[in-house]
Order: sequence, then C-alpha cells, then structure tokens
Amino acid sequence: DSGVTQTPKHLITATGQRVTLRCSPRSGDLSVYWYQQSLDQGLQFLIQYYNGEERAKGNILERFSAQQFPDLHSELNLSSLELGDSALYFCASSALGGSSYNEQFFGPGTRLTVL
Amino acid sequence: AQKITQTQPGMFVQEKEAVTLDCTYDTSDQSYGLFWYKQPSSGEMIFLIYQGSYDEQNATEGRYSLNFQKARKSANLVISASQLGDSAMYFCAMRVGGSYIPTFGRGTSLIVHP
Repeated sequence: DSGVTQTPKHLITATGQRVTLRCSPRSGDLSVYWYQQSLDQGLQFLIQYYNGEERAKGNILERFSAQQFPDLHSELNLSSLELGDSALYFCASSALGGSSYNEQFFGPGTRLTVL
Repeated sequence: AQKITQTQPGMFVQEKEAVTLDCTYDTSDQSYGLFWYKQPSSGEMIFLIYQGSYDEQNATEGRYSLNFQKARKSANLVISASQLGDSAMYFCAMRVGGSYIPTFGRGTSLIVHP
C-alpha cells in the first residue's frame, strides 16, 4: 500500500458527461501528479500541483481540469467525455525536495469507462 | 526532449531464473534519474528501484538490480530468481534535471512460467 488513495476505483459513464476523480496524497507529501494510462498512448503525465498551486502541465486536454485543496487532496475533473477518454487515471504524490531524489508513489488508479 | 525506449514488448522466463528487461534513454542533461516501476494485473504502479546519473554503483533492491551503462545510455532491470508473482508489466522512467516529471517507456510484459 503506497499510502495514496484514489476514489472511485471504477467509474462508468456516458459520452458528454462530466466526472470528478479524487486523490489523497501520502501524509506529508505536498505534490500531486495526475497521469492517464491508455493502451494506445501509454502512461501520459497530465498535470502536477504543489502545495495548492499548479507546478507543471503535460498533455492535458482543455476539457480536463484539476485542483489541489488546502488539505492537499486533489481532484481531476473531466468534462464533455468522449469514448477515447476511457483509461486508467493515476494519481501520484511525492514529498518534493524531501530527499535526494523525488520518488513518486502511485495510487491504485481510477478506471474510467465512457460508453 | 527526453525519451525512454523499451524494445521488448513481452518476455518469458522460467521460475527461479534471472531475467533482464531492457531500457535505453536519451537526454542531453547531465543530471537525471532512472526509475523502474512494476504494474501487476491489479493495476497499481509499484516503485522498484532508482539510479541517479552520478551514482557510481549500480542500484540494488533485494532481487532487483539496475545495470546502469551510462556511455550506452542503458538502464536495464535485472530480476534474479524470478517468482510467479513477478509476472507484470514493467515500466522504465526517467526524470531529468530539476524536473519532477518522469517520462515513461511503453513497458515490457513479463510472464514467469512455473
């Protein structure tokens, strides 16, 4: 168990809908990262937050947004869902600067299926 | 731009034997870190091992070791005495310079036969 929690574990929804994925980082970790894993694209970095502020942005669509709250949990919002958004969405956390390297601990993932 | 290449889409190994999973990387940065993650069929990503570009010794963690060849830009994962529970996808990743964002390879599927 990495200490990172993600809810829900599975999510089935329809095209055009909006969903919210939730992540709680490990205790003490200030950074949260979101990744999308699909069969055709592999593991893609979406966005990183550090202590409530956006730190880095990757291949995140405009239909997707995220935020990190004062208690450090994070939410990833996916809107106007398309079939191609079906994927495994991971959240990871790290201490950021707390050690000589910045190991990321991954949550169990949320499997999103868009029908 | 950084790139990670894992050329073996699938590997098979007999239980108790050693196996090497290949990873080559490309970066112009002198400071970087290399990671290996395991993803079992249940889906979670499990951190296995880390190697820094300035580390003199190859990293080892239990049955896992990283064969780091800097001049060849390779960071192969060696699993000794394979176990059935080692069957999973294995991802190589790299983080360069001050970036905390790793770039991942496409992964290698390892199947351990009894």
